Amino acid sequence: DIQMTQSPSSLSASVGDRVTITCRASQGISSFLAWYQQKPGKVPKLLVYAASTLQSGVPSRFSGSGYGTEFTLTISSLQPEDVGDYYCQKYDSAPPGFTFGPGTKVDIK
Amino acid sequence: QVQLQESGPGLVKSSGTLSLTCTVSGDSINSYYWTWIRQSPGKGLEWIGYIYAGGSTYYNPSLKSRVSISVDTSKNQFSLTLTSVTPADTAVYYCARSVPAFDVWGQGTMVTVSS
Repeated sequence: DIQMTQSPSSLSASVGDRVTITCRASQGISSFLAWYQQKPGKVPKLLVYAASTLQSGVPSRFSGSGYGTEFTLTISSLQPEDVGDYYCQKYDSAPPGFTFGPGTKVDIK
Repeated sequence: QVQLQESGPGLVKSSGTLSLTCTVSGDSINSYYWTWIRQSPGKGLEWIGYIYAGGSTYYNPSLKSRVSISVDTSKNQFSLTLTSVTPADTAVYYCARSVPAFDVWGQGTMVTVSS
């Protein structure tokens, strides 16, 4: 099975800071990688799919990059409303399955 | 606007069977894949399995022996069955549309397994 890891597990940054979260897959998954945001007490929300495509309606300060086994989610200017947990997810078809990473908790300093 | 709504008992006895239904509105269940995810209190997201309208399914290997997902196209619903539950199955259960990323989610339903 393909395993997903994320780093850091948590971070605290100031408003306006550039924040980067890294996701690694134990095997290559091409660009079959999505990112989700889950605000406290809320339903997860799709931010990025196909590693770098921003979901409709997502603010442009979010961006995704990467291919194969290493991916990043970047928030170019952290805002108070960005506080929450961020999860990466692989959706490779071979084998099929949708494994989530363990999550990264983002807080405001 | 596509909406998903989970329904089912909020309390299940240990060793019993958990059954939930997800009703899809604003889209035909004959398209896309439809999936279940859960989140134990204070924990991360765990994918449970998916079904395609044609009936093909795929489950998380860690739950495969206890999980079944079915679809009722006449009602635009799909359902989750999890057998032999334990308190470790206590979680918020979400249904979602898979395109293949999960772009639309239900509000989630909390299921507690009592010992």
